[in-house]
Amino acid sequence: DIVMTQSTLSLPVTPGEPASISCRSSQSLLHSSGYNHLDWYLQKPGQSPQLLIYLGSYRASGVPDRFSGSGSGTDFTLKISRVEADDVGVYYCMQALQTPTFGQGTRLEIK
Amino acid sequence: EMQLVESGGGLVQPGGSLRLSCAASGFIFSNYYMGWVRQAPGKGLEWLTNINKDGSGKSCVDSVKGRFTISRDNTKNSLYLQMNSLRAEDTAVYYCARIDWSLDLWYFDYWGQGTLVTVSS
Repeated sequence: DIVMTQSTLSLPVTPGEPASISCRSSQSLLHSSGYNHLDWYLQKPGQSPQLLIYLGSYRASGVPDRFSGSGSGTDFTLKISRVEADDVGVYYCMQALQTPTFGQGTRLEIK
Repeated sequence: EMQLVESGGGLVQPGGSLRLSCAASGFIFSNYYMGWVRQAPGKGLEWLTNINKDGSGKSCVDSVKGRFTISRDNTKNSLYLQMNSLRAEDTAVYYCARIDWSLDLWYFDYWGQGTLVTVSS
């Protein structure tokens, strides 16, 4: 199975400041189509997960443009340009190139 | 408005069975692949199983193969997860999720609110 590693488990951020969350895969997630099979989900406290970014860099419907996804192959990054209080929660990366697997999650908290 | 509402969770003894349901509304259910993902208490997310649009194709994680079966009834806009031989480690919140699929690429674009399954004697 492809192992997804989010090296930062907790990320305290001051509102208005940027934040960056990394995700590394044990194998390349580059699909033959040229897209990376990597998605980002946010699970806010007490809620179910919601899709933020799909195929590496495409924002889901309704997701603010403060969120962006980048990377290719095995290294990926989710960036929030200016963190707001509503962004708190656990961020998960997920690959579906093979049997789907999630990263351990990165908990973003407000300083 | 699009909705996925899970039901059927509860307390079950080890070795027992449970059938989860997910009622879909607000979209054309038969046009979408669907899946189940679970989350053990205080833990991360684990993909369990997917099913294609007409129910003829399924895939699942090895840890539940032979014990869990996904199915759907497009006439009832419903997704199911039959869980047999339940173990304590199956205790989790179970989410159903809609899949957006194109060009052999897919992701979960909408999730239900989840239903809690507790396996304990």
